[in-house]
Amino acid sequence: ELKVEQNPLFLSMQEGKNYTIYCNYSTTSDRLYWYRQDPGKSLESLFVLLSNGAVKQEGRLMASLDTKARLSTLHITAAVHDLSATYFCAVDGTGYALNFGKGTSLLVTP
Amino acid sequence: AAGVIQSPRHLIKEKRETATLKCYPIPRHDTVYWYQQGPGQDPQFLISFYEKMQSDKGSIPDRFSAQQFSDYHSELNMSSLELGDSALYFCASSYLRLAGGHNEQFFGPGTRLTVL
Repeated sequence: ELKVEQNPLFLSMQEGKNYTIYCNYSTTSDRLYWYRQDPGKSLESLFVLLSNGAVKQEGRLMASLDTKARLSTLHITAAVHDLSATYFCAVDGTGYALNFGKGTSLLVTP
Repeated sequence: AAGVIQSPRHLIKEKRETATLKCYPIPRHDTVYWYQQGPGQDPQFLISFYEKMQSDKGSIPDRFSAQQFSDYHSELNMSSLELGDSALYFCASSYLRLAGGHNEQFFGPGTRLTVL
């Protein structure tokens, strides 16, 4: 059974601080996706990581993929309130359906 | 840029009623997926279509069915609704035949179904 595990599941951090969200998965997939979801809203694609060692950055977010360790990280630099949301990692399952982690609910406080 | 369109955005039904959710994928996308997201949960895959043919099934109840039409729009039909069917239902689309392909899925705004 394919498993995707994120930690932490809840994260409260102060503005200006740095933190990392971890995503471990059990498949041998070399593709991993990060999505952002605001409460009651759609899922917004943040990053698509396609190979071992892939690193992508957008603003204060940076994602990386280590396929040998089956680990992806989402690093937050100098957090701001606008980053408060739930972040999901996902990997391809059977038939290319996405298998999501439980999500990390991030709250950035002043 | 065009996005995935879903309708209706909100739907309230009584137990044992039926519901139909519609999805219009991004133009030229060849694959459509349906997901169900309960409160505080991650999205769960229901069913997918590739070039109008069902390609995979996930945890879709037998009471639910779906199809994709010649214009590529898809419909999720839900019968004998139960309280536990209350959730956000997302449609997503992707272009699997993209060269060097990956499966980045673009999600619609969702339909919030409430079963009373």
